Amino acid sequence: EPEVTQTPSHQVTQMGQEVILRCVPISNHLYFYWYRQILGQKVEFLVSFYNNEISEKSEIFDDQFSVERPDGSNFTLKIRSTKLEDSAMYFCASSEPGLRRYEQYFGPGTRLTVT
Amino acid sequence: AQSVTQPDIHITVSEGASLELRCNYSYGATPYLFWYVQSPGQGLQLLLKYFSGDTLVQGIKGFEAEFKRSQSSFNLRKPSVHWSDAAEYFCAVGEFGNEKLTFGTGTRLTIIP
Repeated sequence: EPEVTQTPSHQVTQMGQEVILRCVPISNHLYFYWYRQILGQKVEFLVSFYNNEISEKSEIFDDQFSVERPDGSNFTLKIRSTKLEDSAMYFCASSEPGLRRYEQYFGPGTRLTVT
Repeated sequence: AQSVTQPDIHITVSEGASLELRCNYSYGATPYLFWYVQSPGQGLQLLLKYFSGDTLVQGIKGFEAEFKRSQSSFNLRKPSVHWSDAAEYFCAVGEFGNEKLTFGTGTRLTIIP
């Protein structure tokens, strides 16, 4: 069964450093998302991406964040200058076009620890 | 704005017993509703979904959920739980024209022998 994959599984970085989190969505999916889950809190939407542009973003997704689909398979989330409060589990998700775009499939997550 | 409430933070049930996890949503139109499960160290796995039509939906692993518009609820049920069902369960809501999912705070399920 196809699945979303994410690398790395755990990333430790120092405050102020840039990080790039990588995702490989399911191959025939055209909608891509990033969510995050701070420890002990709910899963929060960050951004959705379709047709090579952001289709929606939350108030969390400020200028420190960016997303890119650099090639036909990868989808990345970049945090330019990490803060302690960026420590969280980051989930990538993808979905098919059409009505099934509301049915999102999640990857295993990348745990980001900012020290 | 959409919101999802899962009133039970933690539920403990005996193996073989029935299960019901509660989910209430706040949304003006007909929402799209989902249940996801997160096992320790794992990602979010889609258990089942409701878009329209039959209000009782079947999912994977023997789970089902019932959409009750009058109660703004989408409770998850299983007639007989297995030890492997121990996990965190999240209810989520979406809406037409908006790809964002709004999640509840989750319910942690513990299974005792």
